[in-house]
Amino acid sequence: DTEVTQTPKHLVMGMTNKKSLKCEQHMGHRAMYWYKQKAKKPPELMFVYSYEKLSINESVPSRFSPECPNSSLLNLHLHALQPEDSALYLCASSQGQGAVEQYFGPGTRLTVT
Amino acid sequence: EDQVTQSPEALRLQEGESSSLNCSYTVSGLRGLFWYRQDPGKGPEFLFTLYSAGEEKEKERLKATLTKKESFLHITAPKPEDSATYLCAVQAYNTDKLIFGTGTRLQVFP
Repeated sequence: DTEVTQTPKHLVMGMTNKKSLKCEQHMGHRAMYWYKQKAKKPPELMFVYSYEKLSINESVPSRFSPECPNSSLLNLHLHALQPEDSALYLCASSQGQGAVEQYFGPGTRLTVT
Repeated sequence: EDQVTQSPEALRLQEGESSSLNCSYTVSGLRGLFWYRQDPGKGPEFLFTLYSAGEEKEKERLKATLTKKESFLHITAPKPEDSATYLCAVQAYNTDKLIFGTGTRLQVFP
């Protein structure tokens, strides 16, 4: 089973709202990732958690706050977003460090109004 | 600087018309090269990992090959359901980060 699940599938939020995106995997993977993807562009890495510790933060604005409660769960907390933050947010997981493939979830389509 | 370039940007094929997609890369020590398929509005679906020059992998109508500077994704006798964007990504040593190309948008017509 190579399934990564994400909730919600769609999210519309105002610029003053606080919301969270959730990601879950049950493959025993020890690395989890958040990506942002704009239309007709490749995914852009935002954060990497390796063994539940934040290992990469690609200089993402502080209005995005990641959290890894345990090795199976990854959250992305959103606050005071801008309309340009509207995008498809993808979660991925992999076995861990090294050249192993990342498995992506279906994504959350976020619209900021 | 690590970089991935994919060509062509878009490709239209008749059903059954075989072709190849190109991924050229520059990376400071290749740990792995990955091919993904992405349907509109969905997450990328993993296809292949290639580690060293000369390696080849196949899955149904798809075959991926790797040289020291580029990778090819060969599509043999494509069907309309093969229509998607195909993404290539590389990973360098000492990082978990994938560097993605901009993708090739493939359309296969019946």
